[in-house]
Amino acid sequence: GENVEQHPSTLSVQEGDSAVIKCTYSDSASNYFPWYKQELGKRPQLIIDIRSNVGEKKDQRIAVTLNKTAKHFSLHITETQPEDSAVYFCAASTGQAGTALIFGKGTTLSVSS
Amino acid sequence: DTEVTQTPKHLVMGMTNKKSLKCEQHMGHRAMYWYKQKAKKPPELMFVYSYEKLSINESVPSRFSPECPNSSLLNLHLHALQPEDSALYLCASSQFTNTGELFFGEGSRLTVL
Repeated sequence: GENVEQHPSTLSVQEGDSAVIKCTYSDSASNYFPWYKQELGKRPQLIIDIRSNVGEKKDQRIAVTLNKTAKHFSLHITETQPEDSAVYFCAASTGQAGTALIFGKGTTLSVSS
Repeated sequence: DTEVTQTPKHLVMGMTNKKSLKCEQHMGHRAMYWYKQKAKKPPELMFVYSYEKLSINESVPSRFSPECPNSSLLNLHLHALQPEDSALYLCASSQFTNTGELFFGEGSRLTVL
């Protein structure tokens, strides 16, 4: 089955810096790659997602890139702000019957002002 | 309405008690999920319902019993739980199974004494 590795597990940056979180997946049939943000004590919320027919997607300060050949995808946050501090989870899905999203172990991002 | 509503928000129960967690969504989603989340860990899939039928059971112990009375409601019946079952239980829904955004509820924080 699918396995998703996520690095780093913790990331500390200064306000205004960029942050990059990387994930690799094992199943070449995976075709959907979302990123979720979970603030302390709150629910996970989708911040951006990408499908396998696209190499890059951007939404304001957040971007995701996908390299299908290498089977990895990355989250890029520019001009970080203290409110970006949270746990970020990547995930992957093949969309096949009998399967569901597989999450990475998460990255705790701390943005200090 | 883009909300997934879970009740109760907090639950404390003894190992001999029987209780239920409830989840409701009115987005017309046909897939509903139960996840278990321990502190600083990713959500761990327990069950998936697709069109009100159980489609995935991730080898969850029988002391957890899911029920989907209709397309808007999802229950998780709890009986004879163990202290290690203490966790945040997250309900989620998506338009269809295996693809697209997961909408999470706020979760039910369960403590088993």
